[in-house]
Amino acid sequence: QSVLTQPPSVSAAPGQKVTISCSGSSSNIGDNYVSWYQQLPGTAPKLLIYDNNKRPSGIPDRFSGSKSGTSATLGITGLQTGDEADYYCGTWDSSLSVVVFGGGTKLTVL
Amino acid sequence: QVQLVESGGGLVKPGGSLRLSCAASGFTFSDYYMSWIRQAPGKGLEWVSYISLSSTYTNYADSVKGRFTISRDNAKNSLYLQMNSLRAEDTAVYSCARTKGISMVRGVIAPYFDYWGQGTPVTVSS
Repeated sequence: QSVLTQPPSVSAAPGQKVTISCSGSSSNIGDNYVSWYQQLPGTAPKLLIYDNNKRPSGIPDRFSGSKSGTSATLGITGLQTGDEADYYCGTWDSSLSVVVFGGGTKLTVL
Repeated sequence: QVQLVESGGGLVKPGGSLRLSCAASGFTFSDYYMSWIRQAPGKGLEWVSYISLSSTYTNYADSVKGRFTISRDNAKNSLYLQMNSLRAEDTAVYSCARTKGISMVRGVIAPYFDYWGQGTPVTVSS
């Protein structure tokens, strides 16, 4: 059971927009920055978003992040078949003093 | 370009030990915190440990505290994970990751992982 809660799967058609939620508590998301990672099949995770809403160099602006209270959201617009992957949220938990991740969300582009 | 290459994984019996290594290149290794993160077969990501620039600070997940030890050799651009008293539930692919967002001097702990290695598999089974 992960400390952060993500939906197991989401799906949308090519070109559409999808959002992936990440729910936590006051000691993790509510008190700290959130990051998001994309893991394409058989590959290492890739950083998509850090500090809630910042994109590393090279990440297209189709990917966006936001945070409100104890929840965070990853948004992906203009969906492509190449976006099919597992997506994970992560943050620091101030009470546990550890890094915590969500259980992951599998994105299917229909 | 940043490269992280893990090695040292394999099959080990419960109660056994293993030492993982991560060779870093393409960046100034001594300028970054580093972490180990694992992924059990078909499961999600689990952070294992991080270590500070000069090894002053380390932190561990409760699931490995007292059994695993993280270390680094900045002269060799290498990160290590000594794993003792291994259990079946430690079976996973172990990846090293460059870690940002932490500064104990400034009292900032907001870690995120900007580069990951492909990982080395560890199987604990009799």
